[in-house]
Amino acid sequence: AQSVTQLDSHVSVSEGTPVLLRCNYSSSYSPSLFWYVQHPNKGLQLLLKYTSAATLVKGINGFEAEFKKSETSFHLTKPSAHMSDAAEYFCVVRGSYNQGGKLIFGQGTELSVKP
Amino acid sequence: DAGITQSPRHKVTETGTPVTLRCHQTENHRYMYWYRQDPGHGLRLIHYSYGVKDTDKGEVSDGYSVSRSKTEDFLLTLESATSSQTSVYFCAIRQTTGTDTYEQYFGPGTRLTVT
Repeated sequence: AQSVTQLDSHVSVSEGTPVLLRCNYSSSYSPSLFWYVQHPNKGLQLLLKYTSAATLVKGINGFEAEFKKSETSFHLTKPSAHMSDAAEYFCVVRGSYNQGGKLIFGQGTELSVKP
Repeated sequence: DAGITQSPRHKVTETGTPVTLRCHQTENHRYMYWYRQDPGHGLRLIHYSYGVKDTDKGEVSDGYSVSRSKTEDFLLTLESATSSQTSVYFCAIRQTTGTDTYEQYFGPGTRLTVT
């Protein structure tokens, strides 16, 4: 069965410092993986997606993620945090083929950015 | 913007009353999904639809029913609302034209409170 585990429920960084949000996945086949962001009281926005074309995936707003099969990880990074990055981030994997393409969400990591 | 609207955006209802939430899309997507978001759980799939009159259950479907009589509308009904159904409900669509990479795009959400 497919699943994701976000290793930190909360991450706090200072503005201008790097961001690392960690995600491990479990999948019985080549996975489709995503990162979504949710700003306070807002909907979810797709940050980036991995679909086996390239292991280093670039997304919006300077975020990127690297797919590492040997480590079953898909960590999200950004070189320099901005105050506007404060939000909740979800690591997501596509469910099994017979599940209608449903998405399976991690529990979320709340990112705080200090001035 | 994937042209998804949800109504109502906020609702307070009493235990035992029926409630219907509406998701409307303007781009003729085949797949539509209903998720609920609760603290510490990310988003969990309630039901999904793969075409008019074609629906299937997700992982938290108890107490919910859905209907899809038109491509553009996907309705979620709580037959008899309970306090455990207090949540934020998100509708999503999946774009399957061209190469299907399985990402979903979400509506703005409906905040439902059952008192």
